[in-house]
Amino acid sequence: QQQVKQSPQSLIVQKGGISIINCAYENTAFDYFPWYQQFPGKGPALLIAIRPDVSEKKEGRFTISFNKSAKQFSLHIMDSQPGDSATYFCAASIDSWGKLQFGAGTQVVVTP
Amino acid sequence: DGGITQSPKYLFRKEGQNVTLSCEQNLNHDAMYWYRQDPGQGLRLIYYSQIVNDFQKGDIAEGYSVSREKKESFPLTVTSAQKNPTAFYLCASSTGVGPYGYTFGSGTRLTVV
Repeated sequence: QQQVKQSPQSLIVQKGGISIINCAYENTAFDYFPWYQQFPGKGPALLIAIRPDVSEKKEGRFTISFNKSAKQFSLHIMDSQPGDSATYFCAASIDSWGKLQFGAGTQVVVTP
Repeated sequence: DGGITQSPKYLFRKEGQNVTLSCEQNLNHDAMYWYRQDPGQGLRLIYYSQIVNDFQKGDIAEGYSVSREKKESFPLTVTSAQKNPTAFYLCASSTGVGPYGYTFGSGTRLTVV
């Protein structure tokens, strides 16, 4: 049973456009929500993370929006660039537990 | 620089053989994890360890074994009992608790020939 559901499975966006990836969770005990970026043949790398006491966090062109009541969070990539083409994973964990639950991943392709 | 080192980067295995994938970290992290990734799929947890000399099965532990004799090392053995071992294997580590996420290694691609 997947505890974190991620959509879409893939998306194609033009250079300069906005990429949006959505995740939903059921376990209300989750209190840490990171996003990972993975390039082909490489390990995932932490991109940005948020705690549930914050509704939005922005780092450069990457923004996490968090809706605690809906149990949903999303990643927005503004002004998407070809170098952003990668697979993105959302995840969730409980502080006292530490083990991350990953979404299934979204492959993003940014066309020139 | 602190990080996680996985070796080898590519590994070829004949059917019926056991192979061991290496994972070493110098981050002083307590917890270590092994994931399997198949093309176009997400990360599936094989085994994890939150302390030396202790480890737990993940979602797909059958056909795999691990040891955690040292804090820095968490090798994964893919045994002949694993029927479909061709995949990309990722090792990760974390502080074990708290909101600090994982640090991943660069992966080992295992191919059965």
